[in-house]
Order: sequence, then C-alpha cells, then structure tokens
Amino acid sequence: QKEVEQNSGPLSVPEGAIASLNCTYSDRGSQSFFWYRQYSGKSPELIMSIYSNGDKEDGRFTAQLNKASQYVSLLIRDSQPSDSATYLCAVNSGGSNYKLTFGKGTLLTVNP
Amino acid sequence: DGGITQSPKYLFRKEGQNVTLSCEQNLNHDAMYWYRQDPGQGLRLIYYSQIVNDFQKGDIAEGYSVSREKKESFPLTVTSAQKNPTAFYLCASRGTGFSQPQHFGDGTRLSIL
Repeated sequence: QKEVEQNSGPLSVPEGAIASLNCTYSDRGSQSFFWYRQYSGKSPELIMSIYSNGDKEDGRFTAQLNKASQYVSLLIRDSQPSDSATYLCAVNSGGSNYKLTFGKGTLLTVNP
Repeated sequence: DGGITQSPKYLFRKEGQNVTLSCEQNLNHDAMYWYRQDPGQGLRLIYYSQIVNDFQKGDIAEGYSVSREKKESFPLTVTSAQKNPTAFYLCASRGTGFSQPQHFGDGTRLSIL
C-alpha cells in the first residue's frame, strides 16, 4: 500500500513566523508532488507543485523535495492568520495511471 | 470561467435509496476523479477516468458506480450498498502530462436522513 504520511498537528505559529509542514512518502517511483490548502468546509486548492530535488519558491511559499529521503516539505514565510487551514500533501503514486495519494493533512493555526 | 461544477452542494439520502452526484468540467480535461473525504481524514479515491467510455476503480469503489459518456461529465452514483455514505465528495480533473495537477470542484456533502 502506497502511503503518504503527515503530522496531523495542529501546528500553531505566531503571525509573521515561518511555518514548516512535512510529508514523507513510501513509493520511490513517485514523480510529482503537490501541496493543497483546504479551508474548513471547502475543497482543496493547489498552492505548490514540485517535481525535481531541491527548492521551489512561489511568493511566501517554498516547496522542498528530497527524493533520496522520500521527503517533501512546505515552508510558509511571514505566516498570516489567513494561512490557517489544513495542508494536504499529495503524491503521484500511480505512474502512468496518475493517481494521487493524499496524506491526512496538517492543521495549521496562525495566531495574530 | 473555466472550472469544475459539482451539484448539488448538499444532498440527503434515505435508507435503500440510490443518489447521483453531478460533476461537470469545461476545462477540456481528459482525466476526472472522484474522492471521498471523512472528517479529519485525507482524500480517498473512489473512481477515476482517463478517457471517455473508460474508468477504473480506486481504493474504495464498493457501493459506488460511475459513467463517462461525455468528456465533460463524470457522475457518481452512491448506491444503497454503500452502508456509510455520509461524507464530503469531491470531483477533480486534470490535463495531460504527469506534471499536471488535479483541480477540484466545490464538493457535495451527502448525509443520511
């Protein structure tokens, strides 16, 4: 069974701090990795995607991928109360069939 | 605007009743997916379709059925065989290529009466 593991949290950070969200995955053949943000009662929205080892930055968000360690992370700089949500890590574990396997999500709370 | 439309937003099912959730997309995406989300849980794949007239079971297909007669539409039927249907149902689609992400509709919340 291909698995994606996340710390369920809650992760609580003060406004303006860096929030660090982590995810590990079991399938070494995984090729694409995504972070989704999900507000309570709403559907997930894509915030970052990463495919190669290293860092990828987009505004206040940085995704980090280490395929050797089977680890992907999301950093949120200058955290805002509006960043409070559940963050879902998703991994393409289906190869050419492209099936995303989702972690259970990490609940992030940013305190004003 | 291009997007994925799910309807209805809220749905109630009586015991022994089949219900159908609608998912329509105008993004010209080949692939479409149905997920179920339970409180405090991640998304679990029910069915997916990569092309018209073809679909595959996901991890929790029992008690569900789908059809893909048109590229734009991928309805999900929750049958009476699904004993615990109360959940948040999400439809997604994506374009071609492994790097393309899935995009989600707003979801349908199904409850038992």
